[in-house]
Amino acid sequence: KQEVTQIPAALSVPEGENLVLNCSFTDSAIYNLQWFRQDPGKGLTSLLLIQSSQREQTSGRLNASLDKSSGRSTLYIAASQPGDSATYLCAVSVGGTSYGKLTFGQGTILTVHP
Amino acid sequence: GAGVSQSPRYKVAKRGQDVALRCDPISGHVSLFWYQQALGQGPEFLTYFQNEAQLDKSGLPSDRFFAERPEGSVSTLKIQRTQQEDSAVYLCASSLARLQAYGYTFGSGTRLTVV
Repeated sequence: KQEVTQIPAALSVPEGENLVLNCSFTDSAIYNLQWFRQDPGKGLTSLLLIQSSQREQTSGRLNASLDKSSGRSTLYIAASQPGDSATYLCAVSVGGTSYGKLTFGQGTILTVHP
Repeated sequence: GAGVSQSPRYKVAKRGQDVALRCDPISGHVSLFWYQQALGQGPEFLTYFQNEAQLDKSGLPSDRFFAERPEGSVSTLKIQRTQQEDSAVYLCASSLARLQAYGYTFGSGTRLTVV
């Protein structure tokens, strides 16, 4: 059974810092990996989607990498801002299905203080 | 509509009551998922529809949970005889295609509290 772990569970940083969130998964037979952002009381917003054949994806200040063989992904946030405060979730698509059932980690709660 | 719409946003149910949660996916989206998110946890898969066909219901925790999507658009998740452990946020997501290459759009969820 696929298990996804995110470290750290919570992170508090001052504004302007660069930071890294970590995600590991136990079964490397994935189709893709996604990073989501969740604000309190809101649904999930997809930030980056990395196909299993890709090594990284970038969007603005965000960069996500994928090392499928070692079962790891990192989300790098550059020059953090208070507006980045949210819960960040990593999810992998389950191998063996064509429709993308996702297994999520428990999330990292990020607080960026001014 | 522009996004995935879920209703109600909040539901308080007495233990033993039946509830129905509604999801309006983005028009034309073939795939529809339901996830359950307990407090402080990541979402967990419940069930998947491709158009009106329920292709995977392996995540439904018990036979008290039932989902349908009769016309391939709106979906309803029904929970019978609710129990306190059913308290969670129920998230719906839809995707344009049935293949995994595309991402998902999630709704804001329904927060169910069973008292």
